[in-house]
Amino acid sequence: GQQVMQIPQYQHVQEGEDFTTHCNSSTTLSNIQWYKQRPGGHPVFLIQLVKSGEVKKQKRLTFQFGEAKKNSSLHITATQTTDVGTYFCAGRKTSYDKVIFGPGTSLSVIP
Amino acid sequence: SAVISQKPSRDICQRGTSLTIQCQVDSQVTMMFWYRQQPGQSLTLIATANQGSEATYESGFVIDKFPISRPNLTFSTLTVSNMSPEDSSIYLCSVTNRDRGRNEQFFGPGTRLTVL
Repeated sequence: GQQVMQIPQYQHVQEGEDFTTHCNSSTTLSNIQWYKQRPGGHPVFLIQLVKSGEVKKQKRLTFQFGEAKKNSSLHITATQTTDVGTYFCAGRKTSYDKVIFGPGTSLSVIP
Repeated sequence: SAVISQKPSRDICQRGTSLTIQCQVDSQVTMMFWYRQQPGQSLTLIATANQGSEATYESGFVIDKFPISRPNLTFSTLTVSNMSPEDSSIYLCSVTNRDRGRNEQFFGPGTRLTVL
């Protein structure tokens, strides 16, 4: 079946450093989404990427969808303590298929 | 956006008992999803609940253990039956917002279940 993997599993950074998490799917995806879950909270949608090679930015966050639509990355520039949480990628094989979540990358930011 | 509420927010249950979790959405949605998230883990889809038909279960989950009801387009319940400590987890209700092609998943606050 379809699998979505993420690396790293954990990342500890000093405040102000950059952070990147990578997501890889075993199959080609129709779209990929990114979610953030704060400690004790529920996942919150960040963004969706649909096109091959697509790059989207949200302030300090940059999201990229690979050319083959099988991998994606999230890069945070100059991390802040408010960035703490677990970042999940989630993919669909088709627009109306179920969402498969990656294992997540847990980000800790040291002030 | 969709606003989702869940009841109860948390519960502590004895082994062998059952718990029914309720999910209420503030708008009509075709499909509702039930996920499980074990401590420190990712989200695992249990089943998709469609109004007017039986729920569709993912591999490893069966109707006898996790019966689901979907009486209307804004409400669903998930029952965790004959509970064991391995069922201790957070159970999340979710819907998809397909407005303008967004395909965004909204999640309820979750139900934190502890089985003793």
